[in-house]
Amino acid sequence: DIQMSQSPSSLSASVGDRVTITCRASLSITTYLNWYQQKPGQVPKVLIYGASNLQSGVPSRFSGSGSGTDFTLTISSLQPEDFATYYCQQSYSSPHTFGQGTKLQIK
Amino acid sequence: EVQLLESGGGLIQPGGSLRLSCAASGFTFSNSAMSWVRQAPGKGLECVLAISGSGGTTYYADSVKGRFTISRDNSKNTLYLQMNSLRVEDTALYYCAKTFGCTSASCYRAYGMDVWGQGTTVTVSS
Repeated sequence: DIQMSQSPSSLSASVGDRVTITCRASLSITTYLNWYQQKPGQVPKVLIYGASNLQSGVPSRFSGSGSGTDFTLTISSLQPEDFATYYCQQSYSSPHTFGQGTKLQIK
Repeated sequence: EVQLLESGGGLIQPGGSLRLSCAASGFTFSNSAMSWVRQAPGKGLECVLAISGSGGTTYYADSVKGRFTISRDNSKNTLYLQMNSLRVEDTALYYCAKTFGCTSASCYRAYGMDVWGQGTTVTVSS
């Protein structure tokens, strides 16, 4: 199975900050990379698919980039509702494995 | 409304068996690849099994290979997870999820999971 690693594992930031989370795959997954947000007690929600495509209904402050093995999720201006855990997922090779998650906390 | 509803979780002893179900509604189930994703308490997400829309192709994570089986009944719009030889480390919240953007009928590659159920809890303990 393809291994996914995220950094950092946790991050403290303030409302209005620009935040970047990185994800690395153990081999090239072209652009089959997705990002999810999970708030406590809630189910995961897809934000970005295909590395850079914004899922319908997701605010434009979220963006994704990258290809091959290295990817980033950027939140341009943090809002209070963005404090959550973020997961990357490769969907290049089944089963579609996840990174370990990045917990975004309020500073 | 697009919906997934899991059931069948509970407390089971190590070595036991359990079958989970996921009832789908609001979309064409037979056209949709599906997955089981689990989340151990306080931990991250693990995609453990997946199945194509027809049911003809299945995928397993190494952690459950030989013990868990995924299947589906498209006439009942229901996804199943048969879990045998359960271990303490299988304790988790089990979600079913719908895959979207499959690039082939087997759904070896896709664009992610766009619909999730609320999950059903499996606790393996003596």
